[in-house]
Amino acid sequence: EVQLVESGGGLVRPGGSLRLSCAASGFTFSIYEMNWVRQAPGKGLEWISYISAAGSTRDYADSVKGRFTISRDNAKNSLFLQMNSLRAEDTAVYFCVREDNFYDSSDYNFYYYVDVWGKGTTVTVS
Amino acid sequence: EMVLTQSPGTLSLSPGERATLSCGASQSVSSSYLAWYQQKPGQAPRLLIYGASRRAAGVPDRFSGSGSGTDFTLTISRLEPEDFAVYYCQQYGSSPRFTFGPGTIVDV
Repeated sequence: EVQLVESGGGLVRPGGSLRLSCAASGFTFSIYEMNWVRQAPGKGLEWISYISAAGSTRDYADSVKGRFTISRDNAKNSLFLQMNSLRAEDTAVYFCVREDNFYDSSDYNFYYYVDVWGKGTTVTVS
Repeated sequence: EMVLTQSPGTLSLSPGERATLSCGASQSVSSSYLAWYQQKPGQAPRLLIYGASRRAAGVPDRFSGSGSGTDFTLTISRLEPEDFAVYYCQQYGSSPRFTFGPGTIVDV
């Protein structure tokens, strides 16, 4: 079964740090691009970070750029999010998500979407 | 920066009825970059539709997607009790990599 399991969430003071982990299983982790998406209490979904399959390319939402760092260990099938200088507005459920993308030669289009979500880990900054 | 809007904010329907949810984009979106997700309380979102109209594996055929350019639609042909949830549209872009709409609540 394809599965993503997040851990590392908790209560932290403003200005503090946390490191989230995501354990992947049931698929070849090393060939997939991965992302973190968060959801503040009662709010919608916000993409916050991306990492390429090999880990050589990373991207961040403006809201976390310079404070959060995404990384991965393909040998251990794990994704990480180091969160520093945390703010109250970072309070959210953080989802580890697998991105799928492919080229369909029948219509000459590239397709991009998130196809697997973890259950999430809760971060509270207070 | 791309902005997605969804309407209505809340759709109040009964089981067996048809639901039509709209997603609008501030700029033209390639259909192959548009997806829809369902989220139930306390759960992670679930992929329903990708490429604007392609159903994900295991998604019942009462769910269908359509649209192009700046206007996209998710249709649930006959609502089942388990379909009452929040629905998000999402588009892939360069940066931010993924943008989500604010969601439509489908409730009884």
